Amino acid sequence: QLQLQESGPGLVKPSETLSLTCTVSAGSISSSSYYWGWIRQPPGKGLEWIGSIYYSGSTYYNPSLKSRVTLSVDTSKNQFSLKLSFVTAADTAVYYCARHLRTVKLEHFDPWGQGTLVTVSS
Amino acid sequence: DTQMTQSPSSLSASVGDRVTITCRASQSISSYLNWYQQKPGKAPQLLIYAASSLQSGVSSRFSGSGSGTDFTLTISSLQPEDFATYYCQQSYSTPRTFGQGTKVEIK
Repeated sequence: QLQLQESGPGLVKPSETLSLTCTVSAGSISSSSYYWGWIRQPPGKGLEWIGSIYYSGSTYYNPSLKSRVTLSVDTSKNQFSLKLSFVTAADTAVYYCARHLRTVKLEHFDPWGQGTLVTVSS
Repeated sequence: DTQMTQSPSSLSASVGDRVTITCRASQSISSYLNWYQQKPGKAPQLLIYAASSLQSGVSSRFSGSGSGTDFTLTISSLQPEDFATYYCQQSYSTPRTFGQGTKVEIK
């Protein structure tokens, strides 16, 4: 059964760059029709899609975050990564990675990683 | 952006009740609508995709309907494990957006 696991620092200082990696196990990140996405959830609030990446490196982002977000993929390690620059307290959230099925007729996020809390504070 | 509005924001129900949650899109999204369940401290899990298709392994007491701008998630007979927060999500336009969530609590 495919599993995803986020990893990275739990505390980031304001104005610095948040970096997270998602490791995919029991499945290949190079599968066709699947993008790999990041979604975040501020404490006690709703879900916000950040962006998604294909194994070839093709990306699409939430325009509200696009200027600060970089997604990358390492197929040799079966991992994909998120970098969010110039963070503020508003970026404090649980960050989830998820497999993002994307076809002409179907699109959804499943499964999800367990999530990792990133706090922005000095 | 396509805004997704869920109602109600929260509800109280008893075990065995039939529960309906609605989701309205700010523009037509055809059937590009998914539903997720999230329990406290856990990641969301996909319940329904393409408005009405049941994800593998999900109980048949969950069902979805709708197209265009108006959608519903129905739980036919609420079970103790169904108390959670439910989110709709559109996959028609960028950015992908979620509803604000509906918290289902024990009455």
